[in-house]
Amino acid sequence: SYELTQPPSVSVSPGQTARIPCSADTLPKQFVYWYQQRPGQAPVLLIYKDTERPSGIPERFSGSSTGTTVTLTISGVQAEDEADYYCQSTDSSGNLWVFGGGTKVTVL
Amino acid sequence: EVQLVESGGGLVQPGGSLRLSCVASRFTFSTYWMHWVRQAPGEGLVWVSRIKKDGTATSYADSVKGRFIISRDNAKNTLYLQMNSLRAEDTALYYCTREAPGAGDWHFDLWGRGTPVTVSS
Repeated sequence: SYELTQPPSVSVSPGQTARIPCSADTLPKQFVYWYQQRPGQAPVLLIYKDTERPSGIPERFSGSSTGTTVTLTISGVQAEDEADYYCQSTDSSGNLWVFGGGTKVTVL
Repeated sequence: EVQLVESGGGLVQPGGSLRLSCVASRFTFSTYWMHWVRQAPGEGLVWVSRIKKDGTATSYADSVKGRFIISRDNAKNTLYLQMNSLRAEDTALYYCTREAPGAGDWHFDLWGRGTPVTVSS
């Protein structure tokens, strides 16, 4: 099976930078996607293909990739960024999909 | 408005069955691969199943393989999930999701609001 590993929680003060790593357990790594989920709401796409940002997503959200680890960075964190964040990817065929366990971001 | 609306969730006893539906609106349903994703209370997102545009290919998470069946009726713009031999660990909010078009660009670009399933005696 294909697994993605994220830390369960990250705490950050307003205006600081939050970094959320997502580690894949196999190579070759497929593209990773990031979603934000606020309580009681459906997830929203934040980053696609490891580093690309959809239109309408604030520039403070960015993605980077090194080897088998991709990282979501939130620069200048705001109170509204307090939410759960999930990475998502697939196996090489696109038939089996997987989410990371999710990271709860707390803004202190 | 482009949307997905799920229905069919509810309370069912362990070992029972339930069929979820998802109606798609304002987009050409038959041109998209579709999925089910679930989220247990207080837990993370878990991918459940995927179906090809014409319904001729499916895939499942190991946790539901052999118990759940995904299907679709493109004439009715509707996606289904037949859930059999239900277990307490299947309790979750079940989301219907649309796979973004584009070869190799595998992600979800549209989500429904979910329908809750509770498996309990």
